[in-house]
Amino acid sequence: KQEVTQIPAALSVPEGENLVLNCSFTDSAIYNLQWFRQDPGKGLTSLLLIQSSQREQTSGRLNASLDKSSGRSTLYIAASQPGDSATYLCAAYGGSQGNLIFGKGTKLSVKP
Amino acid sequence: NAGVMQNPRHLVRRRGQEARLRCSPMKGHSHVYWYRQLPEEGLKFMVYLQKENIIDESGMPKERFSAEFPKEGPSILRIQQVVRGDSAAYFCASSRKQNQNEQFFGPGTRLTVL
Repeated sequence: KQEVTQIPAALSVPEGENLVLNCSFTDSAIYNLQWFRQDPGKGLTSLLLIQSSQREQTSGRLNASLDKSSGRSTLYIAASQPGDSATYLCAAYGGSQGNLIFGKGTKLSVKP
Repeated sequence: NAGVMQNPRHLVRRRGQEARLRCSPMKGHSHVYWYRQLPEEGLKFMVYLQKENIIDESGMPKERFSAEFPKEGPSILRIQQVVRGDSAAYFCASSRKQNQNEQFFGPGTRLTVL
């Protein structure tokens, strides 16, 4: 059964810092891995989707990597801004279950 | 191109009443997924539907919960005889295809059971 873990649960950084959020999954037979952002009381915004055949995806200041063999993905945020403050969720798709399996998220706070 | 639409955004029910949550997928998307986010917990899959078919309901509670996606109209998640433990945010997502395809989420319906 697929399990997704995100570390740390919360992170506070000063503005301008580069940071890495970690995601690990137990079943390496995934089709893809998706990173989301969730603002308080809001829905999920899809940030990046990495297919199983890919090693990384980039969008603006965000870069996500995927290492299936070690069961890990990272989300790198460059030059963080206060507007980046939110909860970041990773979700694995596939393996023995055909739906997204979510981690509990990393709550990021970027201080001005 | 409108995103995934959910209504109502907030729903208050008393114990024993019924709750109906609606989801309209993005244009061109024929796959709909429902997830539930309990307070202080991660999102959990409930059910996956295509038009007129339930594909996977392995995450649905065995009683009181049902879902449909008719040929015409939105997908409906129905909760009968609600209890306080049903209070949560319910999110709908849609995708164009199942495998290897990005899921787009709606804003959610926040259900409060008094």
